[in-house]
Amino acid sequence: SAVISQKPSRDICQRGTSLTIQCQVDSQVTMMFWYRQQPGQSLTLIATANQGSEATYESGFVIDKFPISRPNLTFSTLTVSNMSPEDSSIYLCSVDHRGHQETQYFGPGTRLLVL
Amino acid sequence: AQSVAQPEDQVNVAEGNPLTVKCTYSVSGNPYLFWYVQYPNRGLQFLLKYITGDNLVKGSYGFEAEFNKSQTSFHLKKPSALVSDSALYFCAVRPYNNNDMRFGAGTRLTVKP
Repeated sequence: SAVISQKPSRDICQRGTSLTIQCQVDSQVTMMFWYRQQPGQSLTLIATANQGSEATYESGFVIDKFPISRPNLTFSTLTVSNMSPEDSSIYLCSVDHRGHQETQYFGPGTRLLVL
Repeated sequence: AQSVAQPEDQVNVAEGNPLTVKCTYSVSGNPYLFWYVQYPNRGLQFLLKYITGDNLVKGSYGFEAEFNKSQTSFHLKKPSALVSDSALYFCAVRPYNNNDMRFGAGTRLTVKP
């Protein structure tokens, strides 16, 4: 399986600021995904990030609020912009590891608390 | 669009007893089905998947799941539960022809000594 790391692992931020979350994979992957898991909730897909193209956002998520970069096949960033307390969640990076028959593997998550 | 239902928010079992965590799905075409486990303050860990072939799939930590096409179910099972199995379990489905994976609401499994 792919080994995925995320930075930071957790953060406490003030309302109105922005936080950039990094996701690093130990192998080249075609597709990377960003999910949000709100307290006590399931996972919701924010966007899909392919290298060399614009990220594809799911309904309810926009690029101005969640800009994503995918500069190469092993790295991606998600920025949570102009944060409010409603953005307090766990943010998870995931990769689609084609060599393992469509399985998605997840990073450890970034726990964000917005005050 | 595909969807997943996990009808139980919480499942409690005694250590050593068999456990079942239920999952039903809805998808157009052939499904790819997955189970993930989330321990406290951790990300999701892949347990097992059904892509094709045998309906009974064996995965990590002694877990298995049975794909039942007629009942559109993919229940997670383990013959003998351990206290360390206590965690949050997510079922997920995606169509065979795209990457749109949908997760269930999750079931919290508690195994008591």
